[in-house]
Amino acid sequence: KNEVEQSPQNLTAQEGEFITINCSYSVGISALHWLQQHPGGGIVSLFMLSSGKKKHGRLIATINIQEKHSSLHITASHPRDSAVYICAVGSAGNQFYFGTGTSLTVIP
Amino acid sequence: DVKVTQSSRYLVKRTGEKVFLECVQDMDHENMFWYRQDPGLGLRLIYFSYDVKMKEKGDIPEGYSVSREKKERFSLILESASTNQTSMYLCATRRWRGGEKLFFGSGTQLSVL
Repeated sequence: KNEVEQSPQNLTAQEGEFITINCSYSVGISALHWLQQHPGGGIVSLFMLSSGKKKHGRLIATINIQEKHSSLHITASHPRDSAVYICAVGSAGNQFYFGTGTSLTVIP
Repeated sequence: DVKVTQSSRYLVKRTGEKVFLECVQDMDHENMFWYRQDPGLGLRLIYFSYDVKMKEKGDIPEGYSVSREKKERFSLILESASTNQTSMYLCATRRWRGGEKLFFGSGTQLSVL
């Protein structure tokens, strides 16, 4: 069983659509991270959160500690949002658990 | 912002060769990590280092070793490359533990033939 589960694995959306990617985890958490990876590229940290909600531009991340669940929302999606989005849970010390990623394609 | 530089973007090596992957960071972070990324498996930790000359095994250290002689540089060594080590290798750094962001390099796609 994976410590971090993401859904969906793949997602195709029309430009302008509202997108939600979900992440559930089963381990103790110090912080949850949402990461973005463009094709052939490195990984960029989008959010780090341990409670509540964070917003950056068109991206919103929420976390429910009691339910061990986080969501990443993209409003007014754009083709440049096409990437793999990875949920990662930081646990005690330097231990991280990574989801297998959600591949998002936004069609013009 | 933190810059994490990996020495090669693409690398092709022969089975049995010794392979060095270099990672350099410019923000004085204590923690450095080497991960490999394979389709459907997510990122898996090979080794990490929390200080100069200090290292700890991750989940999949077999076939790999590491070196951290200077704080800014963390090297991953494949002593005798094998085809099952064909993968994307990612270096990451983080300031001393506690809810701190991870910063990643751009990755090295290694092919072992």
